[in-house]
Amino acid sequence: KQEVTQIPAALSVPEGENLVLNCSFTDSAIYNLQWFRQDPGKGLTSLLLIQSSQREQTSGRLNASLDKSSGRSTLYIAASQPGDSATYLCAVRKGGTSYGKLTFGQGTILTVHP
Amino acid sequence: DTGVSQNPRHKITKRGQNVTFRCDPISEHNRLYWYRQTLGQGPEFLTYFQNEAQLEKSRLLSDRFSAERPKGSFSTLEIQRTEQGDSAMYLCASSFRDRNNEQFFGPGTRLTVL
Repeated sequence: KQEVTQIPAALSVPEGENLVLNCSFTDSAIYNLQWFRQDPGKGLTSLLLIQSSQREQTSGRLNASLDKSSGRSTLYIAASQPGDSATYLCAVRKGGTSYGKLTFGQGTILTVHP
Repeated sequence: DTGVSQNPRHKITKRGQNVTFRCDPISEHNRLYWYRQTLGQGPEFLTYFQNEAQLEKSRLLSDRFSAERPKGSFSTLEIQRTEQGDSAMYLCASSFRDRNNEQFFGPGTRLTVL
């Protein structure tokens, strides 16, 4: 059974700091990995998707890396802003005929203070 | 608005009552997923539709839960004889099979069972 763990559970940083969120998964036979952002009481917003054959993806100030063999992914946020405050979730899709269902971590609650 | 929509956004009900939620996916997406999220946890997979066919159900989906997707368009999730443990955020996501199966989520329906 796939298990996804995110560390740290919560993170508080001053504005402008660069930060890294970690995600690990137990079964390396994944199809892809997605990072999401969730604001309090809201749905999920897709940030980045990395295919199993890729090493990283970038979007603006966000960079996600994937090391499939070691079961790890990191989300790097450059020059953090108060508007980045949210819960960040990583999710993996199993390879094969899994119909694309995602297995999520518990999330990292990020607070960026001015 | 061409995103995933869900209705209602909030539902408060008494224990024992039946409730029904609706999800309208992105129009060209043929895959539709339901997830459940409790406070402080990541979403957990409930069920998956490809077009109108329900292809997978989680063991979390007890006999009191039923989901449909008539004609492969919108989907409904019904909970019969609600229990306090059903209180959660119910999230719907959709994807298009050929586009990396990137899943896009709706805003969710928050269910509170009193």
